[in-house]
Amino acid sequence: DAMVIQNPRYQVTQFGKPVTLSCSQTLNHNVMYWYQQKSSQAPKLLFHYYDKDFNNEADTPDNFQSRRPNTSFCFLDIRSPGLGDAAMYLCATSSYGEGYNEQFFGPGTRLTVL
Amino acid sequence: GQNIDQPTEMTATEGAIVQINCTYQTSGFNGLFWYQQHAGEAPTFLSYNVLDGLEEKGRFSSFLSRSKGYSYLLLKELQMKDSASYLCAVMDSNYQLIWGAGTKLIIKP
Repeated sequence: DAMVIQNPRYQVTQFGKPVTLSCSQTLNHNVMYWYQQKSSQAPKLLFHYYDKDFNNEADTPDNFQSRRPNTSFCFLDIRSPGLGDAAMYLCATSSYGEGYNEQFFGPGTRLTVL
Repeated sequence: GQNIDQPTEMTATEGAIVQINCTYQTSGFNGLFWYQQHAGEAPTFLSYNVLDGLEEKGRFSSFLSRSKGYSYLLLKELQMKDSASYLCAVMDSNYQLIWGAGTKLIIKP
């Protein structure tokens, strides 16, 4: 089945220790998104890619970086995680174009910072 | 600025009907989505409206009025498994989703 896969599902890191979250997709979508979602809050868009064209949201902290080496994979790097970065990180994909373009979500990675 | 408003929490009884409202103010409009999100899980797509009116899909229906900047999600014959957060999201003129904070729906037996 075509899908969006995120690894790991749960990630524990220590304060200040770099961590990388991964996302892969078999939907062949050209747009990929990274969201941060804290409890009872709306998902917050961190980055998105149209193909390899990178788009950084204006209020995304410099501590967060992203890579998309090919259409199928996307990575989120947190260089120095702080306690405030503990959240669910959601990867989503969509097919770019005018009109209807539903976003398909992976299961998410829950990040805990100790 | 861009803004999506929906109630924080609602409670309903199993078997009943509940309506979750969403109002929005965005720069442009290219459709409104409703997503369901169970605790600790990713959002899953429920419905999409881009024209005024009602879209029905099984027990769930979604309504849109673009002139009023208003939508609602109607859930019928509520089941315990419908306990979840329901997120309203609007696609703006840049085809980006603007998300509401979600409405936590609690179903009681």
